[in-house]
Amino acid sequence: KQEVTQIPAALSVPEGENLVLNCSFTDSAIYNLQWFRQDPGKGLTSLLLIQSSQREQTSGRLNASLDKSSGRSTLYIAASQPGDSATYLCAVRLFSGSARQLTFGSGTQLTVLP
Amino acid sequence: EPEVTQTPSHQVTQMGQEVILRCVPISNHLYFYWYRQILGQKVEFLVSFYNNEISEKSEIFDDQFSVERPDGSNFTLKIRSTKLEDSAMYFCASRQGAEVPLFFGPGTRLTVT
Repeated sequence: KQEVTQIPAALSVPEGENLVLNCSFTDSAIYNLQWFRQDPGKGLTSLLLIQSSQREQTSGRLNASLDKSSGRSTLYIAASQPGDSATYLCAVRLFSGSARQLTFGSGTQLTVLP
Repeated sequence: EPEVTQTPSHQVTQMGQEVILRCVPISNHLYFYWYRQILGQKVEFLVSFYNNEISEKSEIFDDQFSVERPDGSNFTLKIRSTKLEDSAMYFCASRQGAEVPLFFGPGTRLTVT
């Protein structure tokens, strides 16, 4: 059974810092990996999707990398802003014809201090 | 930008009552999902729906749960007889195809008393 772990569980940084959030998964036979942002009491906003054949994806100040063989992904946030404060979730989808669902990590709660 | 919508945003119900949570997926999407998140816990998969039938369901999705796509736009989750442990945020999600992102709605907070 796929297990997804995110470290750290919480992170507090001053505005302007670059930071890295980590995600690890136990089954490397993934179809893709998706990073989400969740604001308190709200839904999930898709940030980046990395296919299993890709090494990284970039969107603005966000860069996500994927190392399937080691079962890891990182989300890099450059020049953090207070508006980046949220919980960041990674989720993996297995490379299986019947498994279409995502398995989520428990998230990293990020606070960017002004 | 198109988005997934869900109603109601908050539903309070008594134990044993039936509830229906409603979702309108993005219009050209073909795959539909329900997930839930109990307070303080991980987001969990409930069920996926494609081509007018359930394609996969988790062990959480027992006989008390059902899904329906009654028309071309709505996607509903019904819980027949709610239990206290059904209290959670329920998220609807949809995707257009196999290799594209999954888009989530804002969620319905279900409180069972």
